[in-house]
Amino acid sequence: AQKITQTQPGMFVQEKEAVTLDCTYDTSDQSYGLFWYKQPSSGEMIFLIYQGSYDEQNATEGRYSLNFQKARKSANLVISASQLGDSAMYFCAMSPIYNQGGKLIFGQGTELSVKP
Amino acid sequence: DADVTQTPRNRITKTGKRIMLECSQTKGHDRMYWYRQDPGLGLRLIYYSFDVKDINKGEISDGYSVSRQAQAKFSLSLESAIPNQTALYFCATSDIARDEQFFGPGTRLTVL
Repeated sequence: AQKITQTQPGMFVQEKEAVTLDCTYDTSDQSYGLFWYKQPSSGEMIFLIYQGSYDEQNATEGRYSLNFQKARKSANLVISASQLGDSAMYFCAMSPIYNQGGKLIFGQGTELSVKP
Repeated sequence: DADVTQTPRNRITKTGKRIMLECSQTKGHDRMYWYRQDPGLGLRLIYYSFDVKDINKGEISDGYSVSRQAQAKFSLSLESAIPNQTALYFCATSDIARDEQFFGPGTRLTVL
């Protein structure tokens, strides 16, 4: 069975510093996708970044990058130059089927607080 | 206008009542999903539909049913609501060619 583990229930970071949110996954599939979503206090789920299991380069989207280490089964999110608006819950998720719109399996989330 | 909408946004009901949560999307996606979020448990999949004629149970489908009325509409029903169904419910959509899912704003349901 597929599983996502986020071991940091809460994290603090100083404004303008970088922060890494950890995510490890477990799957026997060869093809899969990894995602990060942001959930601010207002409740909506905002898609941030995607990494396919066969992508050789780490994904980047603006200030977000995904540190993908396939052998270690980790997909950590790096946020550079943190902003106050980055304070939110962050969820790592996995889709067991690559590029076929599979079901998402979510981790329990990490609550990030950015300090001024 | 939002691409994925959910109605109602908030609902308080009593045990035993029938409740329907509705989801509509203008993204043109074939695939739609219903998730439930409880504090500390992340999101869990209730039902999903890969097209109008294809509906599948997710991880926690007991006590729920769904209807895919059209490509753009996917409804979740609680036939007889119970207090442990109090949660935040999300609808999501995805395109057949890509994996990322796009979420609606959520419906906060409270069952007394």
